[in-house]
Amino acid sequence: ETGVTQSPTHLIKTRGQQVTLRCSSQSGHNTVSWYQQALGQGPQFIFQYYREEENGRGNFPPRFSGLQFPNYSSELNVNALELDDSALYLCASTPIRGMDYGYTFGSGTRLTVV
Amino acid sequence: AQTVTQSQPEMSVQEAETVTLSCTYDTSESDYYLFWYKQPPSRQMILVIRQEAYKQQNATENRFSVNFQKAAKSFSLKISDSQLGDAAMYFCAYRSLRIYGGSQGNLIFGKGTKLSVKP
Repeated sequence: ETGVTQSPTHLIKTRGQQVTLRCSSQSGHNTVSWYQQALGQGPQFIFQYYREEENGRGNFPPRFSGLQFPNYSSELNVNALELDDSALYLCASTPIRGMDYGYTFGSGTRLTVV
Repeated sequence: AQTVTQSQPEMSVQEAETVTLSCTYDTSESDYYLFWYKQPPSRQMILVIRQEAYKQQNATENRFSVNFQKAAKSFSLKISDSQLGDAAMYFCAYRSLRIYGGSQGNLIFGKGTKLSVKP
């Protein structure tokens, strides 16, 4: 059974650029969530995808967007990058929406905006 | 809105000793889950233990146990017989059982406690 895989592990971008982060959910998991973890902080919920649709969103602007694919993998896109977007981005998957089977997290993508 | 507070930014424990990490939360809901996650330098969040709010019995997982005080909205983690591998950031998290606008409740995290284990 594979876990949650995220790519790339590290990324450096320039302010104003766009970035795409990728996540392969654990086998059998159809719900994917994304979290932003700033340095020294706990993770903050960005959004969640279920059956290829966004079905929950935290307090993040529209320049944060995502996709979920038929194989349940997911992308997080961030447009017009700002310095404050520098953070660890975590992807988490769970097998069944609405049920507590626990979240499985990936090791994250460390994004640095300069 | 729900909030989670971890008042201890850093804690230290001697190997083989016991340490307790504190967590308080605020909610108006009666049904929810509480979690403790461990984040080592590898960055991956690892579930340590979870507690269903409707269960009065405190959850236990090997050397890890919780003290869940629902009325006080307190959820502390006790680590017994501490090991060097326990050194990590520990996050307390809350998840509602209610579904808002069709979405499953997301995790709400505290700011974390950095645990050091001295040999």
